[in-house]
Amino acid sequence: DGGITQSPKYLFRKEGQNVTLSCEQNLNHDAMYWYRQDPGQGLRLIYYSQIVNDFQKGDIAEGYSVSREKKESFPLTVTSAQKNPTAFYLCASSIYNDFNQPQHFGDGTRLSIL
Amino acid sequence: KQEVTQIPAALSVPEGENLVLNCSFTDSAIYNLQWFRQDPGKGLTSLLLIQSSQREQTSGRLNASLDKSSGRSTLYIAASQPGDSATYLCAVASGSARQLTFGSGTQLTVLP
Repeated sequence: DGGITQSPKYLFRKEGQNVTLSCEQNLNHDAMYWYRQDPGQGLRLIYYSQIVNDFQKGDIAEGYSVSREKKESFPLTVTSAQKNPTAFYLCASSIYNDFNQPQHFGDGTRLSIL
Repeated sequence: KQEVTQIPAALSVPEGENLVLNCSFTDSAIYNLQWFRQDPGKGLTSLLLIQSSQREQTSGRLNASLDKSSGRSTLYIAASQPGDSATYLCAVASGSARQLTFGSGTQLTVLP
């Protein structure tokens, strides 16, 4: 069954620590995205990647980093520079440049500060 | 910069009612508009996608309309059921990167 897998479901970060959120897809999609969702708010784009070995900053990239070494994987690192990391993080993927197709989402990772 | 607004923020209706959720956006130069459903603690499920050249899309009891010139979309849910209770998010694809800009959502509760 094709889909997007995010892990872990819950993650706790200590002050000064970097943490990495995993996102894997088996939909053969070219484009992948990371969003942040705060309570009662919509999603804001952190980073996106349209092809392997290339990625672009979204609206709120500061304090985050990504890599795209494989088509199916797009991990997000929340660095110690991100001072307010507590949020729900969602990964998505889509067929690049096909405006007939929606983005597909994983089930998210909830990050909290210890 | 594209901005998306959803009204109302929350809505509670008795089972069986027909209802309308509203979405507005500031820049009419969009590629498509999408409606998603989000259950508590879960990711988003795509409900309907309307291309910029289309006026509406239908799926079962759901009908979404798009008026690009006025920057508005509505999601119509017929004969609502308790299982429809969720947060409904509207998003538009625009800009050189075709990225999605989301509204804050409408939290719908359908009472049995």
